[in-house]
Amino acid sequence: DIQMTQSPSSLSASVGDRVTIACRASQSISTYLSWYQQKPGKAPRLLIYAASTLHSGVPSRFSGSGSGTDFTLTISSLQPEDFADYYCQESYIGPGAFGPGTKVDVK
Amino acid sequence: EVQLLESGGGLVQPGGSLRLSCVASGFTFGPYAMGWVRQAPGKGLEWVSGITGDRKTTVYADSVKGRFTISKDDSKNTIYLQMSNLRAEDTAVYFCGKDKTYGDGRWELDSWGQGTLVIVSS
Repeated sequence: DIQMTQSPSSLSASVGDRVTIACRASQSISTYLSWYQQKPGKAPRLLIYAASTLHSGVPSRFSGSGSGTDFTLTISSLQPEDFADYYCQESYIGPGAFGPGTKVDVK
Repeated sequence: EVQLLESGGGLVQPGGSLRLSCVASGFTFGPYAMGWVRQAPGKGLEWVSGITGDRKTTVYADSVKGRFTISKDDSKNTIYLQMSNLRAEDTAVYFCGKDKTYGDGRWELDSWGQGTLVIVSS
């Protein structure tokens, strides 16, 4: 099975900061990688799919990059509504593992 | 507007069974793959099961294989998750989700329900 890791597990940031979250797969998954945002008590929200394609309606401050085993989610200028948990998820062979998540909170 | 509404959660004893439902609206249901994802209290997300639009392919997490069954009724715009032999570790909020891509499942969920809570406890 493919294992997903994320780093950091949490980070504290301020509005306007550039934030980067890393996701690593235990084997190559090409670009079968999605990113989700989840706020407390809410369902996840798809941000990025195919590693770098912004889902419809997602602000352009979010971007994704990477292929193979290493991926990155970047928020170019953190906004108040971006404080949340972020998960990567691979879908190389069927629906696959989520990463353990990264919590972005207020510094 | 796409809407997904889960139901069927509740308190069940270990070893018991439960059937979750997810009714979809706002899109042409038949061709889209659908899935179930769960989240234990205070924990991360875990894929549970998925089914392709044509119902030919179903997938399960190892943790539920042999105990859970996913199904899809296009006449009712509904997917189901039949859960049996439930364990304490199945306690979670169960979300249903719609695949983003028309046709074969890509397992990128672009719409989600609000979730239904399953508690397995004696």
